[in-house]
Amino acid sequence: AQSVTQLDSHVSVSEGTPVLLRCNYSSSYSPSLFWYVQHPNKGLQLLLKYTSAATLVKGINGFEAEFKKSETSFHLTKPSAHMSDAAEYFCVVSMNTGFQKLVFGTGTRLLVSP
Amino acid sequence: GAGVSQTPSNKVTEKGKYVELRCDPISGHTALYWYRQSLGQGPEFLIYFQGTGAADDSGLPNDRFFAVRPEGSVSTLKIQRTERGDSAVYLCASSHGPGYEQYFGPGTRLTVT
Repeated sequence: AQSVTQLDSHVSVSEGTPVLLRCNYSSSYSPSLFWYVQHPNKGLQLLLKYTSAATLVKGINGFEAEFKKSETSFHLTKPSAHMSDAAEYFCVVSMNTGFQKLVFGTGTRLLVSP
Repeated sequence: GAGVSQTPSNKVTEKGKYVELRCDPISGHTALYWYRQSLGQGPEFLIYFQGTGAADDSGLPNDRFFAVRPEGSVSTLKIQRTERGDSAVYLCASSHGPGYEQYFGPGTRLTVT
């Protein structure tokens, strides 16, 4: 069965500094991996997805993630944090059930201070 | 265009009562999903519709939970004999079809007292 582990429940950064949100996955075969962001009182929004093409995936708002099979990791990064990046971030793996049955991690809350 | 909408945004009910939660998907999306997000957790899959039929309901926790999508558009999640453990945010998502990006609604926060 597929699963993801988000290694940090909270990450705090200063505005303008790099962001690193860590995610490790477990999958019996080549997975599809995603990062979603959830702002308060708003729906989940897809940041980026990996589906076995390029291992470095670029998403919206300057975020990117690198798929590393040897490390079973899919960490999310951004070179310079902005105040508007403060939100909950979810690492997600898709189960191969004929549709995208998404399995979410427990989330990482990103706090950005001025 | 309009996104996925869910009503009500908040619902408070007493233990043992029946509740209905509504989801209006993006127009033209044939696939619809329900997830439940408990406090401090990530969303958990409940049920997936392709058109009018429930293609996968393996995530429904027990037979108190039921969902319908009679015309292949709007869906209603129904919970009978609510329990305090049902308190959570219920999320709906829709997509063009299986394998396409899921677009999420803002959720319905259900509180069972």
